Amino acid sequence: DTAVSQTPKYLVTQMGNDKSIKCEQNLGHDTMYWYKQDSKKFLKIMFSYNNKELIINETVPNRFSPKSPDKAHLNLHINSLELGDSAVYFCASSPRGGYGYTFGSGTRLTVV
Amino acid sequence: GNSVTQMEGPVTLSEEAFLTINCTYTATGYPSLFWYVQYPGEGLQLLLKATKADDKGSNKGFEATYRKETTSFHLEKGSVQVSDSAVYFCALSAETEKLVFGKGTKLTVNP
Repeated sequence: DTAVSQTPKYLVTQMGNDKSIKCEQNLGHDTMYWYKQDSKKFLKIMFSYNNKELIINETVPNRFSPKSPDKAHLNLHINSLELGDSAVYFCASSPRGGYGYTFGSGTRLTVV
Repeated sequence: GNSVTQMEGPVTLSEEAFLTINCTYTATGYPSLFWYVQYPGEGLQLLLKATKADDKGSNKGFEATYRKETTSFHLEKGSVQVSDSAVYFCALSAETEKLVFGKGTKLTVNP
């Protein structure tokens, strides 16, 4: 199936741990993104990569580090997890120009 | 900067009622406008879009018209169904290509 797939779907971890979320798209899109959805459903962009190059880095703590090994993958690594990091994280991709975003199904991260 | 304001809800309607969810935007240049829908426990799906003034996006009975003079992109449906219950997000995309979302409007349709 053509899609944006992210793993894991659920992640429960303790404060202070380091965790990664993986994202892959097979749509041939040039640009990939990470968005965070908080408990009130508000969606905010975190990062954007175009062809492995970082092009958007919003005000995100340094504990969050995206990595794009190739244009089909954009992983998110989080160090020293905090309670406030609990949220749903969505990966997305789009062709150049930003039209036709496709979102992954989300990773629900719970920090305890 | 660019921003989107939409009615926050929640909105509760009976089946077959008329739906309007208001959305206005602030942007430099000529943004593209979108409505996304998030069903319970799922990711976001593109519902409809419009890329220039006076364009009308439509899908699954939903419609929205890009109004540059009022900077609005209101979502409408003539007769809602229980299966339309979801959270609806208005969004825009301008030069930077990132999507800027409104805060979302939760719609519940009762039988």
